[in-house]
Amino acid sequence: SQQGEEDPQALSIQEGENATMNCSYKTSINNLQWYRQNSGRGLVHLILIRSNEREKHSGRLRVTLDTSKKSSSLLITASRAADTASYFCATDANQAGTALIFGKGTTLSVSS
Amino acid sequence: DTAVSQTPKYLVTQMGNDKSIKCEQNLGHDTMYWYKQDSKKFLKIMFSYNNKELIINETVPNRFSPKSPDKAHLNLHINSLELGDSAVYFCASSQVLGRGEAFFGQGTRLTVV
Repeated sequence: SQQGEEDPQALSIQEGENATMNCSYKTSINNLQWYRQNSGRGLVHLILIRSNEREKHSGRLRVTLDTSKKSSSLLITASRAADTASYFCATDANQAGTALIFGKGTTLSVSS
Repeated sequence: DTAVSQTPKYLVTQMGNDKSIKCEQNLGHDTMYWYKQDSKKFLKIMFSYNNKELIINETVPNRFSPKSPDKAHLNLHINSLELGDSAVYFCASSQVLGRGEAFFGQGTRLTVV
């Protein structure tokens, strides 16, 4: 069953602007991860935030997690054309023996 | 050195045929997965294997049969292909089932005509 829902489905911005994507999920989790998928390629892990963390940074990426609202956001600052890709959140349900569940993704287009 | 590699990258075949997709990981991970990504980019887990044993088998038609000869390999065999099987299939691996970073292959775009 689907766990994550990203919002918006598509986002178009100019280089230099910030991009914010949101993810909502349904069940309790251990961790939440964000992945990027370039066109025609596999998914690449960006960042993992644990359920007891509220915010995490990695380079131009900032991830927040609100377990009370079951939501997370990914902020990409000073976006570049190379950031054009689809972004997915993935959660691991707080029970043994379950695989990562992915949301539907946000397609980000950054134009120069 | 590719961490998770799957072959072929593209596969075009006729309805009713049987085909296989191969996957290998050189990361020493215990767990491997097959995901299906549809035309709307929705990724759905199909199978999970841990140490060559099937752990998760989501609601997938019996025509799909995974085979894991060893921890480093997880192949996907599909019998009697149907038009609706057209999708991109991704192999992935992780150190622990459902925990931590997953590493993905480049995907196999299957087109059934």
